[in-house]
Amino acid sequence: GAVVSQHPSWVICKSGTSVKIECRSLDFQATTMFWYRQFPKQSLMLMATSNEGSKATYEQGVEKDKFLINHASLTLSTLTVTSAHPEDSSFYICSARGNQQGPTYEQYFGPGTRLTVT
Amino acid sequence: QQPVQSPQAVILREGEDAVINCSSSKALYSVHWYRQKHGEAPVFLMILLKGGEQKGHDKISASFNEKKQQSSLYLTASQLSYSGTYFCGTEGSARQLTFGSGTQLTVLP
Repeated sequence: GAVVSQHPSWVICKSGTSVKIECRSLDFQATTMFWYRQFPKQSLMLMATSNEGSKATYEQGVEKDKFLINHASLTLSTLTVTSAHPEDSSFYICSARGNQQGPTYEQYFGPGTRLTVT
Repeated sequence: QQPVQSPQAVILREGEDAVINCSSSKALYSVHWYRQKHGEAPVFLMILLKGGEQKGHDKISASFNEKKQQSSLYLTASQLSYSGTYFCGTEGSARQLTFGSGTQLTVLP
């Protein structure tokens, strides 16, 4: 159980365009999802906490107008990178934490999405 | 604030043991341990919720010293499959995880 999927697995886009990444919890309801970014050989850096039905909480230094997060249902959160630039190229990973009926403590990670902006 | 992991990297021969340490300057609610292979997402290993708790699975175990705000991950009789980067994650008040800088473990045959 506790499977999290991400789509797409990788995406290459041109500078200035927008890219949407989906994160789904497949077999449990996730009241909270987290979005991380990881640059090569570095740790995962939390970008934002996404709560179902409310606005996301962004970490310091993360532009909320550039990284739009929508958590429309208990199984789906989306991250849209707007007006992408080459420096946004990174590995984006989501994780999900269940509600009281599901996994309560562990965070389950999606497989990640590799974004390359040319 | 990011927890500090040590060592940054370790190289072992198959069958040898290793210890990875994680320390935080802030009070810890819990400590999570993950292993990440290159190009893949982190895989959950275990979580320690209480000070003094020790936990293990197969030949990987961990301890949590709440007073010292530290946790250690013990890998016994390492296998080739243990290679990867190990991250500890400390949980904040909003249940968000802050990951350490990682420890790159390489197990050689």
